Amino acid sequence: ETGVTQTPRHLVMGMTNKKSLKCEQHLGHNAMYWYKQSAKKPLELMFVYNFKEQTENNSVPSRFSPECPNSSHLFLHLHTLQPEDSALYLCASSQDLETDTQYFGPGTRLTVL
Amino acid sequence: QKEVEQNSGPLSVPEGAIASLNCTYSDRVSQSFFWYRQYSGKSPELIMSIYSNGDKEDGRFTAQLNKASQYVSLLIRDSQPSDSATYLCADGSSASKIIFGSGTRLSIRP
Repeated sequence: ETGVTQTPRHLVMGMTNKKSLKCEQHLGHNAMYWYKQSAKKPLELMFVYNFKEQTENNSVPSRFSPECPNSSHLFLHLHTLQPEDSALYLCASSQDLETDTQYFGPGTRLTVL
Repeated sequence: QKEVEQNSGPLSVPEGAIASLNCTYSDRVSQSFFWYRQYSGKSPELIMSIYSNGDKEDGRFTAQLNKASQYVSLLIRDSQPSDSATYLCADGSSASKIIFGSGTRLSIRP
């Protein structure tokens, strides 16, 4: 499909659970992104990492915790989520922050019960 | 706060006709714009980028940018049922702050 993979593709969790989303890019890119896509709302940028360093946190609640161990992997750790956090979570990568073309992964469809 | 506005649709176009998708943006100094296509249940896929005033053509797709009017459009010629999707307009002047519109749902009817 694309050079960006995400697991799991679907996740159902309770509000007290802790889970993690994983993203891996095979494109040799240096910048990685987490987006949230809710029904009928624009894609919302959550976090940006460039060369493993976080460069943007778009006022995301602390129940979402990103981790970027290297330029190819990005995680989103989830804990004590709310039902309104149910959405499609998309990972994307770009060559660097100066390169504006981003490539998206297939997303994780998250449902919080 | 930069904004990108799109009509949510659905826009219904007969097969073989030209589909015209429109987008306006709020930041006068923005330089880079993108059109992404997103099929239901799938991730966005980049189909066109445009940086200069005027038209840019790629196969059946033409992107148009008018910076004076802060207006971006996407024309799809000879529309096919496979073009049915949601089309996202994005202001990409800063890679770390790409602003997406909410998308226009396009339906091509046979």
